[in-house]
Amino acid sequence: GAVVSQHPSRVICKSGTSVKIECRSLDFQATTMFWYRQFPKQSLMLMATSNEGSKATYEQGVEKDKFLINHASLTLSTLTVTSAHPEDSSFYICSAVRDSNQPQHFGDGTRLSIL
Amino acid sequence: GENVEQHPSTLSVQEGDSAVIKCTYSDSASNYFPWYKQELGKGPQLIIDIRSNVGEKKDQRIAVTLNKTAKHFSLHITETQPEDSAVYFCAARQNSGYALNFGKGTSLLVTP
Repeated sequence: GAVVSQHPSRVICKSGTSVKIECRSLDFQATTMFWYRQFPKQSLMLMATSNEGSKATYEQGVEKDKFLINHASLTLSTLTVTSAHPEDSSFYICSAVRDSNQPQHFGDGTRLSIL
Repeated sequence: GENVEQHPSTLSVQEGDSAVIKCTYSDSASNYFPWYKQELGKGPQLIIDIRSNVGEKKDQRIAVTLNKTAKHFSLHITETQPEDSAVYFCAARQNSGYALNFGKGTSLLVTP
């Protein structure tokens, strides 16, 4: 089955640090990747849609200068949380689709804790 | 935009019983409806999905039904086991290229 790998699984860092999260599709080429944020006991909130080779599309209310997304290849997308603050602490999850008519497959998430 | 509502928010059943989770959607253009299982500290895992040209789909102990007219779809788990305990999310999506719209999730607890 389709495998999406997300790294790191957990990050603890100081306020003001920038943190990069990687999302890789291991056994398929992903034309589109998605980045979600999930608060405890809540649903997944879409942050942005990332297409290979083009700029990401951000959802309303998501600061594109705060959450930098790069989808440089068909198997890798990265999310960089710039100058992170405690309110950015959350569970970040990526997903990938082989093509626009295929199911989304999710990574195992990154638990980000900003002290 | 699409609005997906999911009920119940929590569900407790005894091992061996059936569990049913229901979702409704608002956008008649939605034509793809996946269900995900999320265990603690993990990402969601696709367990079954259904497209709008099909009314029912089954995979062993899991089945999904879709009523396009009423705009609702349901997940049915039979012969539940403790390892079925998790949070289940329904979702809906329009045609190709659109992101999923998720329900708020159902926390299922299967007690031995």
